[in-house]
Amino acid sequence: TQLLEQSPQFLSIQEGENLTVYCNSSSVFSSLQWYRQEPGEGPVLLVTVVTGGEVKKLKRLTFQFGDARKDSSLHITAAQPGDTGLYLCAGARNNDMRFGAGTRLTVKP
Amino acid sequence: GAVVSQHPSWVICKSGTSVKIECRSLDFQATTMFWYRQFPKQSLMLMATSNEGSKATYEQGVEKDKFLINHASLTLSTLTVTSAHPEDSSFYICSALQWKETQYFGPGTRLLVL
Repeated sequence: TQLLEQSPQFLSIQEGENLTVYCNSSSVFSSLQWYRQEPGEGPVLLVTVVTGGEVKKLKRLTFQFGDARKDSSLHITAAQPGDTGLYLCAGARNNDMRFGAGTRLTVKP
Repeated sequence: GAVVSQHPSWVICKSGTSVKIECRSLDFQATTMFWYRQFPKQSLMLMATSNEGSKATYEQGVEKDKFLINHASLTLSTLTVTSAHPEDSSFYICSALQWKETQYFGPGTRLLVL
């Protein structure tokens, strides 16, 4: 059983559409990270959220940490083909970090 | 941002040989590093946690004698795949922990065992 559940697992959309990826858990995390990984490369850190209710924006990406620090969401506005990749969330808890299974996003031109 | 390197980026070896992969944190010290394995189109699978100056902690199902981990300094951890077999072929990724909260990943090492 995954400590962090990501949904959807796969997502294929057209360029210009909006999307939201969810990362849910029954556990409380001290912080949560979002990464993006492209084929054949290591994951690249997008953002770290620490405070419950925190919202961070990175250009067309908006990240939100739930009030109870158990869940997070990633919203992409006007998706572009360059956004294609595997999006991973990771939660830090008690000196331990665990990853979700990932959401594989494909943005078609 | 923090930079983590891995070497080699890819390696092809014969079955039965051992392969060593290095993971270095280039601009910060990391008392904790992680080793992951990733199969095609799947997420990361944590293999072990590497702590500087002490023994690595292996995840359930990962053979410690098969995957030897050494974390001899604050900037270097190595993973040695001993007596490699074709089923060990995979993408191996390391990460280094900064400020106890954030992992920074290396670019990965693709291993192919013939």
